[in-house]
Amino acid sequence: KAGVTQTPRYLIKTRGQQVTLSCSPISGHRSVSWYQQTPGQGLQFLFEYFSETQRNKGNFPGRFSGRQFSNSRSEMNVSTLELGDSALYLCASSLVSSMDTQYFGPGTRLTVL
Amino acid sequence: DQQVKQNSPSLSVQEGRISILNCDYTNSMFDYFLWYKKYPAEGPTFLISISSIKDKNEDGRFTVFLNKSAKHLSLHIVPSQPGDSAVYFCAAKNGGGGATNKLIFGTGTLLAVQP
Repeated sequence: KAGVTQTPRYLIKTRGQQVTLSCSPISGHRSVSWYQQTPGQGLQFLFEYFSETQRNKGNFPGRFSGRQFSNSRSEMNVSTLELGDSALYLCASSLVSSMDTQYFGPGTRLTVL
Repeated sequence: DQQVKQNSPSLSVQEGRISILNCDYTNSMFDYFLWYKKYPAEGPTFLISISSIKDKNEDGRFTVFLNKSAKHLSLHIVPSQPGDSAVYFCAAKNGGGGATNKLIFGTGTLLAVQP
């Protein structure tokens, strides 16, 4: 069974631009969560989608948004990029229940210049 | 406010010895705890978990201990192997009766196992 895939793997943008990251969950998984990893901050929860609905949201500004499609694939969008948005963005998928194990993708490394 | 803390940024142990990674939390509503391992350029990989109704869970070389009164958990790796060298993240979840996969992560501990 294929794992969680994220595209692109690397991205370089400039301040003020916007970016869209994509995540394809493991087949059959309906929950997709997004995390931001920065040095010294660990992984911070952005949001979770389940059945095309946002089920939970972290403490990030409205510039960070996401959506989920009927095939469970998810996209994350960051508008008006700032230097501090440079990070590794990780996507995780799980079956249904909150007690199901989450499986992470390799991440998208975003660099904002 | 960091609700999950890993106070040791790094740990070095000899191959064959025990590795003990520690994690403290502040939120008494957390009821499920997990450990993830992360290699460079890869996403975190689930290792082991423990529910708050237990105080120990074992899976092969990995054992997680939970002390709810101290709000502390630890991961023991015995015996440690060079392939265990990675960053280890502690994470917690608040089931709270609602459906959520939101995990609160610590900042990670870099484990180096010396041959």
